[in-house]
Amino acid sequence: NAGVTQTPKFRVLKTGQSMTLLCAQDMNHEYMYWYRQDPGMGLRLIHYSVGEGTTAKGEVPDGYNVSRLKKQNFLLGLESAAPSQTSVYFCASSTNNEQFFGPGTRLTVL
Amino acid sequence: RKEVEQDPGPFNVPEGATVAFNCTYSNSASQSFFWYRQDCRKEPKLLMSVYSSGNEDGRFTAQLNRASQYISLLIRDSKLSDSATYLCVVTSPNQAGTALIFGKGTTLSVSS
Repeated sequence: NAGVTQTPKFRVLKTGQSMTLLCAQDMNHEYMYWYRQDPGMGLRLIHYSVGEGTTAKGEVPDGYNVSRLKKQNFLLGLESAAPSQTSVYFCASSTNNEQFFGPGTRLTVL
Repeated sequence: RKEVEQDPGPFNVPEGATVAFNCTYSNSASQSFFWYRQDCRKEPKLLMSVYSSGNEDGRFTAQLNRASQYISLLIRDSKLSDSATYLCVVTSPNQAGTALIFGKGTTLSVSS
């Protein structure tokens, strides 16, 4: 039982490049989330999903898109990366109030 | 006013000390409250839920005051392994699912 996994762990992009972050969970959770964590800002919700095929915007959705084609996977896309998107990205999943987090993806945009 | 506010610290205490963290939240409609722990460069993990009646888990005691919109965490007999950042978390009543609003965290450093 791996819990929540994230791919990749690290990535460096140039401004304007695109990429997709993958989150996978094997706990059969309905809800999944993407957060970003920046120094002095705490964790902020980007997008979330309450079930397969549904997504919704969180607090800071601009510049990101998401998809939940399968219950176990939640993808976060950056279509045209900007330096302001340099951050640590955490995925989480839950069935009730406790959220289980993945190990994070450290993204640097130059 | 920020949705969840915490004293960022750092709190530097010796082993065996008792330390208390406080947190306030702005939305009176929030229903659920938690303390998460985050180690350096790691993901957050649930430490404990917080109930109006107060709850205790070993050396950790959490309390909630709904009238004052105030949450606290007390750590007794601090251990070196307690060094981490403690995140105060409340549910967001404006979003579906179980979206959480995180405070920025309070950093604790326990020294020998």
